[in-house]
Amino acid sequence: ETGVTQSPTHLIKTRGQQVTLRCSSQSGHNTVSWYQQALGQGPQFIFQYYREEENGRGNFPPRFSGLQFPNYSSELNVNALELDDSALYLCASSSGTGIELFFGSGTQLSVL
Amino acid sequence: RKEVEQDPGPFNVPEGATVAFNCTYSNSASQSFFWYRQDCRKEPKLLMSVYSSGNEDGRFTAQLNRASQYISLLIRDSKLSDSATYLCVVNRGANAGKSTFGDGTTLTVKP
Repeated sequence: ETGVTQSPTHLIKTRGQQVTLRCSSQSGHNTVSWYQQALGQGPQFIFQYYREEENGRGNFPPRFSGLQFPNYSSELNVNALELDDSALYLCASSSGTGIELFFGSGTQLSVL
Repeated sequence: RKEVEQDPGPFNVPEGATVAFNCTYSNSASQSFFWYRQDCRKEPKLLMSVYSSGNEDGRFTAQLNRASQYISLLIRDSKLSDSATYLCVVNRGANAGKSTFGDGTTLTVKP
């Protein structure tokens, strides 16, 4: 167990809806990164949060947004859902200097 | 062209076989390199870091060739439990969180 927890584990939404995914980082880790993994592909970097501020973003549109809270937990929000947003969303925590990413078990999002 | 490219496989090998996976990356500024393992639709987990000098962890050996921008993973004496998808991961800096993943190579080890 990595100590990184994500909720919910599964979610079904329809096009145009909004969704919020949650992540609790491993104890002592102040950095949370979010990844999207489509079927048959590797995880793609969405963005990272460090000390409650966005600290880098991948090639994702603004309808993907996030938050980090003082306890370092984080949320990923996706507005105006599209069919292509169907994927496994992974949260990973790391320390400021650590080389290893510790992933949660992910949220499987299906957009119908 | 993707920044990190891997042969998707699948690789189907018998127990005890030796299997090698390759990975190439396009950004010459990349600084750190890793192999992660992902079991079916579960979270990726770090298998090992990759260094130019090569590194070994039991049956696993990883190698980096910076000049060719090429990374390899060798698995000796394959076990059934090695069946998984192996993800090549490249990072431009020291920030582990902003990593670029390949699409993975799937390995199935058969009895």
